[in-house]
Amino acid sequence: EPEVTQTPSHQVTQMGQEVILRCVPISNHLYFYWYRQILGQKVEFLVSFYNNEISEKSEIFDDQFSVERPDGSNFTLKIRSTKLEDSAMYFCAGRLASAYEQYFGPGTRLTVT
Amino acid sequence: RKEVEQDPGPFNVPEGATVAFNCTYSNSASQSFFWYRQDCRKEPKLLMSVYSSGNEDGRFTAQLNRASQYISLLIRDSKLSDSATYLCVVMDTDKLIFGTGTRLQVFP
Repeated sequence: EPEVTQTPSHQVTQMGQEVILRCVPISNHLYFYWYRQILGQKVEFLVSFYNNEISEKSEIFDDQFSVERPDGSNFTLKIRSTKLEDSAMYFCAGRLASAYEQYFGPGTRLTVT
Repeated sequence: RKEVEQDPGPFNVPEGATVAFNCTYSNSASQSFFWYRQDCRKEPKLLMSVYSSGNEDGRFTAQLNRASQYISLLIRDSKLSDSATYLCVVMDTDKLIFGTGTRLQVFP
């Protein structure tokens, strides 16, 4: 069964550094998402992406965040200058054009020190 | 009012028990609803979609009451492996809105 993959599984970075989180969605998915989950809190939507454009973004997704799908397979989330409060699990998700169910990757744990 | 509200639990039940989780949502225009399961420090995994007519998948039954903006999940004959956090999820435009989850612990 195809799965969403994410790398790295854990990233430790210093405040102010740039990080890039990578995702390989399921090959026939056309809609892509990033969510985050701060430890002990609920999963929160960050951004949705379709046809190489951002469809929707949350208030969390400020100018420090960007997404791209550079080569038609990888889907990346970049945080330009990390803050302590960016420490969280970041999940990539995707879905088919014909269905609303979203399937999640295993996540990247980001720790900002 | 929270967008998606769930009782956080925990629900501690013996193997073989039936347990029910409830959830309310605030946006009456929402059209799609799901239950996800999340194990500790893992990703949410889709358990089932929830349809107006109600739907069943093995030991799991989901119900939707649009008038009351209420979603439920029933687990029959609980197994130890059902221990997890159950997330009530509502789709708003194209994004998923998650509840905080209800923790279930099944004991022998």
